[in-house]
Amino acid sequence: QITLKESGPTLVKPTQTLTLTCTFSGFSLRKSGVGVGWVRQPPGKALEWLAVVYWDDTERYSPSLKSRLTITKDTSKYQVVLTMTNMDSVDTATYFCAHQQLDGGNWFDPWGQGTLVTVPS
Amino acid sequence: QSVLTQPPSVSGAPGQRVTISCTGSNSNIGAGYDVHWYQQLPGTAPKLLIFGNNNRPSGVPDRFSGSKSGTSASLAITGLQAEDEADYHCQSYDSGLSGSVFGGGTKLTVL
Repeated sequence: QITLKESGPTLVKPTQTLTLTCTFSGFSLRKSGVGVGWVRQPPGKALEWLAVVYWDDTERYSPSLKSRLTITKDTSKYQVVLTMTNMDSVDTATYFCAHQQLDGGNWFDPWGQGTLVTVPS
Repeated sequence: QSVLTQPPSVSGAPGQRVTISCTGSNSNIGAGYDVHWYQQLPGTAPKLLIFGNNNRPSGVPDRFSGSKSGTSASLAITGLQAEDEADYHCQSYDSGLSGSVFGGGTKLTVL
């Protein structure tokens, strides 16, 4: 059974850097085709894809946020870390991590429960 | 503004059939990339509902079905039930953005 769980601060001040950790179990990021992606959802708004890291260290970022994002993986710890610099109130959202399979159509399944990050204005 | 376009809301009475559209462009759905659908119940994380345009994961009732044609895709729900009241999101891949793209989400209300 695959599970993922996000962890990190619930409150971040403007201009600070956000660091979120996705801790997963039930799969390995050493396995060919496997990836872990991040998606966020501002309150009452749409899902927005942020980034993904694959088993072969390939990283992909949303073009609109690329300059602010870094995604890394620690295969031995079964963790993926996402950092986002220069946080602003518009970045207030629930941040989800999810398992992806590159050669399986790259859908997100399953998802973590999400973690709400608030940036005061 | 989302890359994929969905109606903000749809509604139907119990037992009825509803459809939710997802319109993209020639750099995503029209380029042949698969469309996936997620159901998000209030206060919870999205859950995969349809993958690869028209495939249901184990445990998803056959009341849910997906289709794709040209630059659009659709999710159909038949025999509407109160428990289907949720937000529904479509997702695909965009070659211009080199990443995943989502629709704006559709809120389904069961009358």
